[in-house]
Amino acid sequence: NAGVTQTPKFQVLKTGQSMTLQCAQDMNHNSMYWYRQDPGMGLRLIYYSASEGTTDKGEVPNGYNVSRLNKREFSLRLESAAPSQTSVYFCASSEAAGVNEKLFFGSGTQLSVL
Amino acid sequence: EDQVTQSPEALRLQEGESSSLNCSYTVSGLRGLFWYRQDPGKGPEFLFTLYSAGEEKEKERLKATLTKKESFLHITAPKPEDSATYLCAVQQSGGGADGLTFGKGTHLIIQP
Repeated sequence: NAGVTQTPKFQVLKTGQSMTLQCAQDMNHNSMYWYRQDPGMGLRLIYYSASEGTTDKGEVPNGYNVSRLNKREFSLRLESAAPSQTSVYFCASSEAAGVNEKLFFGSGTQLSVL
Repeated sequence: EDQVTQSPEALRLQEGESSSLNCSYTVSGLRGLFWYRQDPGKGPEFLFTLYSAGEEKEKERLKATLTKKESFLHITAPKPEDSATYLCAVQQSGGGADGLTFGKGTHLIIQP
């Protein structure tokens, strides 16, 4: 039982490069989320998708874009990476946003932007 | 202003030494309060959800309680494998569908 799968696990980028973080869940959940975790800051919401076909900004959306490709997959794109985006990124899913917010997390992507 | 504040930031205990972690919140309406455990290099793992003041949940050596202003995670006779960062998160009432607001966590170390 895979749960939430994120790829890649590690990535190093140069300033200005672009990349896409991939996330897939196999629990038939409606809602998916992208968080970033920085030392001393806790987990902060970047974007979320309450249901297939919808996406909304979270607390820290600047510099990111997302795509809810289908019910299973939710990707996060950095168009022009900056050192301030060095962080650990977590994808999460829940059964139904606004109803049951018990989140299931992936194992994270550690991103360094030089 | 932080909506979720956890204390202490770090706690070192001897094996078998019971203690409590605190999570205070200032949201106007609470739909749910969540506790997660996070091991190094891994994503948070769900422990408990509490919905109303007075509610308690237990799992092995852990017990979570909730009042109108704060939640406690009590750890009884901890073992080294309980070492982890414990995260508290809240879901506000009011119709928002934007996930949880997390505290910064308490880093717990249990020494043998």
